[in-house]
Amino acid sequence: AQRVTQPEKLLSVFKGAPVELKCNYSYSGSPELFWYVQYSRQRLQLLLRHISRESIKGFTADLNKGETSFHLKKPFAQEEDSAMYYCALSGGVAAGNKLTFGGGTRVLVKP
Amino acid sequence: DVKVTQSSRYLVKRTGEKVFLECVQDMDHENMFWYRQDPGLGLRLIYFSYDVKMKEKGDIPEGYSVSREKKERFSLILESASTNQTSMYLCASIRGGGTEAFFGQGTRLTVV
Repeated sequence: AQRVTQPEKLLSVFKGAPVELKCNYSYSGSPELFWYVQYSRQRLQLLLRHISRESIKGFTADLNKGETSFHLKKPFAQEEDSAMYYCALSGGVAAGNKLTFGGGTRVLVKP
Repeated sequence: DVKVTQSSRYLVKRTGEKVFLECVQDMDHENMFWYRQDPGLGLRLIYFSYDVKMKEKGDIPEGYSVSREKKERFSLILESASTNQTSMYLCASIRGGGTEAFFGQGTRLTVV
């Protein structure tokens, strides 16, 4: 079974402060991990994926297989980062491309 | 740009009605998904399909069924709607071998 846990439902930070969203997963195989974001009145969209090892909008995430975590970080939060963030896991073709999401974390960046 | 279109933005149905939610994607994606999105619970997978006429149960399939007769269309069916199925429903598609999911705008279903 594949499972994703986001322990924080809400994170409230001031503009310019660091922000870290936690994500832990459970999967017996080799997972692909993602972060998706949903801005107000917009569709859910991909923010970044672990295989790309890229920084998008100042966000980075590192896959830690030992701790089964994929935390999302940004050193200096901006007001436009206020959104709903979801961590997601795919088991790939071996799992029929099943894509499982966590419960989501709402980020509020205050001016 | 990939486009995933859900047939309705808002729906209000009565308890016991049969409800159809339609989703169409225009990029020839093999994989399609139906989720429901509830505050505090995130996105929960109802059903998914990796090919025409193929379907797999997700984590919460009870009370739902699906149909995929054509590659571009994936329908979610509530056989007998109940008030606990009031939710936001999201459809998504992924290219075969791809990793990025593309989402529809969502259908907010209210069952009264």
